Amino acid sequence: QQQVKQSPQSLIVQKGGISIINCAYENTAFDYFPWYQQFPGKGPALLIAIRPDVSEKKEGRFTISFNKSAKQFSLHIMDSQPGDSATYFCAATKAAGNKLTFGGGTRVLVKP
Amino acid sequence: KAGVTQTPRYLIKTRGQQVTLSCSPISGHRSVSWYQQTPGQGLQFLFEYFSETQRNKGNFPGRFSGRQFSNSRSEMNVSTLELGDSALYLCASSLVRSENTEAFFGQGTRLTVV
Repeated sequence: QQQVKQSPQSLIVQKGGISIINCAYENTAFDYFPWYQQFPGKGPALLIAIRPDVSEKKEGRFTISFNKSAKQFSLHIMDSQPGDSATYFCAATKAAGNKLTFGGGTRVLVKP
Repeated sequence: KAGVTQTPRYLIKTRGQQVTLSCSPISGHRSVSWYQQTPGQGLQFLFEYFSETQRNKGNFPGRFSGRQFSNSRSEMNVSTLELGDSALYLCASSLVRSENTEAFFGQGTRLTVV
């Protein structure tokens, strides 16, 4: 059972453009939603995370938007750079545990 | 501060064999989780250990097992390897606080079963 659905599977964006990745979850017990960035041959690295009591969180060029009623959250990468080319995973968990449920991943390619 | 260290980085095993993977968490982190990453199934949770006790378990067969030592280092074992066990196995460590559960991943062990 896929409890976190992520879309799109891949996207291509021009340098300077905006990358948008969407996730939807089913389990209302989830209360911590991190995003991870993974480069080939590396483990996932935490990018930014949000809790459901906040509708938006921004860190540099990365912004998470959260819609609790719709059980959806999204990652926006502003001013996308070629170095942002990677696979991005959304995830969800209960704050007290570390059992992360991941979305299927989005492969982002930023063209120069 | 050293990150999460996984050894070995690469392994090739024959079907039917068993394998043991090792994970050293970030110093001070007491929670260690294991994940399997494959192109078809994505990232799937295997199990989590905290203070030498398994706290959570994913939907994997009993061939997959793990343990944690008193210094928080963890090992996972897969017995009777199958071709489908070929995957990147990732370990993550974290400080467990009710309001902060960032998990930091190692680079993984790439297991190939032939």
